[in-house]
Amino acid sequence: EADIYQTPRYLVIGTGKKITLECSQTMGHDKMYWYQQDPGMELHLIHYSYGVNSTEKGDLSSESTVSRIRTEHFPLTLESARPSHTSQYLCASSPQAAPTDTQYFGPGTRLTVL
Amino acid sequence: KNQVEQSPQSLIILEGKNCTLQCNYTVSPFSNLRWYKQDTGRGPVSLTIMTFSENTKSNGRYTATLDADTKQSSLHITASQLSDSASYICVVSDRGSTLGRLYFGRGTQLTVWP
Repeated sequence: EADIYQTPRYLVIGTGKKITLECSQTMGHDKMYWYQQDPGMELHLIHYSYGVNSTEKGDLSSESTVSRIRTEHFPLTLESARPSHTSQYLCASSPQAAPTDTQYFGPGTRLTVL
Repeated sequence: KNQVEQSPQSLIILEGKNCTLQCNYTVSPFSNLRWYKQDTGRGPVSLTIMTFSENTKSNGRYTATLDADTKQSSLHITASQLSDSASYICVVSDRGSTLGRLYFGRGTQLTVWP
């Protein structure tokens, strides 16, 4: 079982609200990732980080932002939530190693914007 | 275009039966292929990982095969159990970047009935 945590697990919020999805891992991994997943669809990478103070945008354009001030935390923020942001958000981490290293996923946050 | 296609999209089998899930990919240059299991409402968990030189790898009742020439992989589940009900995701990594970019399939939704 991977030691990577996400809160909240479920969030229902109104349009225009600012939200922060939390992700933390206790494995000391340098690489962390945020994915977006709609039902029945593949995961899409929206943000990643190689380490502290490193953040990059992924393949899928997202209005969210991320920060990496500490190794163990990688929060994702939406300044103004919209119904189009409704989705499942998955956080993952992996050791700073070759591409063969496995990504460990958190349980996800199911976000619904009304 | 790098893609990962999985079939079937969904599958229902009776407890105790075997089944095989398919994955075709066009990712190049190829680095490795992973099979993940994703329970409903949870993050994916790695089952197997295979590199170019590996043809088969087992993890308990799960056996993955890889044909790098035809760019096909399969996941065989033996003596299925109710707990095998989940989405099985094929993930291919390329060697084109230090990130080890991941390409996700949409998954096969497996349901095991008693």
